[in-house]
Amino acid sequence: GAVVSQHPSRVICKSGTSVKIECRSLDFQATTMFWYRQFPKKSLMLMATSNEGSKATYEQGVEKDKFLINHASLTLSTLTVTSAHPEDSSFYICSASLGTGWNQPQHFGDGTRLSIL
Amino acid sequence: AQSVAQPEDQVNVAEGNPLTVKCTYSVSGNPYLFWYVQYPNRGLQFLLKYITGDNLVKGSYGFEAEFNKSQTSFHLKKPSALVSDSALYFCAVRNNDMRFGAGTRLTVKP
Repeated sequence: GAVVSQHPSRVICKSGTSVKIECRSLDFQATTMFWYRQFPKKSLMLMATSNEGSKATYEQGVEKDKFLINHASLTLSTLTVTSAHPEDSSFYICSASLGTGWNQPQHFGDGTRLSIL
Repeated sequence: AQSVAQPEDQVNVAEGNPLTVKCTYSVSGNPYLFWYVQYPNRGLQFLLKYITGDNLVKGSYGFEAEFNKSQTSFHLKKPSALVSDSALYFCAVRNNDMRFGAGTRLTVKP
């Protein structure tokens, strides 16, 4: 149980295009979803936390107009990288939890590798 | 400023031996502490967390970690390592924001 699916697993696109990444909880309702970014040298950062039906809460330093997060249902959150540029190339990982707060277990997707040419 | 340190880039142990992956932190207040594991070309997996309560936390796959407030450490341990434990391990601290350590690559040799 508690499976989270991310799609696509890999995407390569030209500079200036917008890219949408989907995160789905397949067998549970995810009240909260999280988006992480892993840089080429493996360092990780939390980008934002989203609760179903409300605006995402972005971590300091993350451009909300650049990284649009939508959590329209209890099983789907999307991250859209708008007008992507090579410096946006990273491994993006989502996670989902049943409840709110950091006390709840997080279930992770397998990540999306984004390469901007 | 809030920070997390994993002082070892690489840890090598023989299968069957105990393993320790170190994590120290510098935050104000009472942070939440986490350990995650990442297998090659995969997303993260949650191992364990400390929120409050017993300083010794038990997690997935036989891992445990001890919260030591005086030493501001949260080292990850396992009594007997398996080759399948070989992966990248991240410590993280959540207070006002979320900070990750740089990661420690654990290699368990048969």
